[in-house]
Amino acid sequence: DAGVTQSPTHLIKTRGQQVTLRCSPKSGHDTVSWYQQALGQGPQFIFQYYEEEERQRGNFPDRFSGHQFPNYSSELNVNALLLGDSALYLCASSFDLKRERQRALRDTQYFGPGTRLTVL
Amino acid sequence: RKEVEQDPGPFNVPEGATVAFNCTYSNSASQSFFWYRQDCRKEPKLLMSVYSSGNEDGRFTAQLNRASQYISLLIRDSKLSDSATYLCVVPWPSGGYNKLIFGAGTRLAVHP
Repeated sequence: DAGVTQSPTHLIKTRGQQVTLRCSPKSGHDTVSWYQQALGQGPQFIFQYYEEEERQRGNFPDRFSGHQFPNYSSELNVNALLLGDSALYLCASSFDLKRERQRALRDTQYFGPGTRLTVL
Repeated sequence: RKEVEQDPGPFNVPEGATVAFNCTYSNSASQSFFWYRQDCRKEPKLLMSVYSSGNEDGRFTAQLNRASQYISLLIRDSKLSDSATYLCVVPWPSGGYNKLIFGAGTRLAVHP
């Protein structure tokens, strides 16, 4: 049973550039969430995708955008990179809240290994 | 008030010690709670979930006090391998869906 996978593992970009990060969810999961984790902080929610649509978003600017594909995989795009965008970007997958009636499984998210982005 | 607050630590304890971490949350509508463990430069991994008053799994016990909006994690008989950052996580109801709100984490260092 494949877990959540992310690519690439590391990335170095310069200010102003654009970056695309990729995520494949755990087998059987249909919901993908993205998080940004700065050094010494907990992960911060960016947005969540379900049925190829963004259904909720955290406090991140429009420079952060995403996409979900029919096979449930997802991309995170960041435009006009700033130095402050340097962080670990985590993807997490889960079952849809409405579909999963078992309380023990609702809300449980499984994380991929992350992509470490450095902006110079 | 922050959405989820944790004591940042670090907690430095000897092997075999019992250690407890606290977490408070501000949204009374939250129904379920999680503790994740994160090793240095790795992804968070689910440690325990809490849906009622508490949950126990071996050396780990999580307790929930809804009235005080407080969650705790107790680790008994600490092992060197327990050294990590422990993240308190609260699903935040929003428009019919939940997003996970993480605390900043509590660092634990277990020494021989």
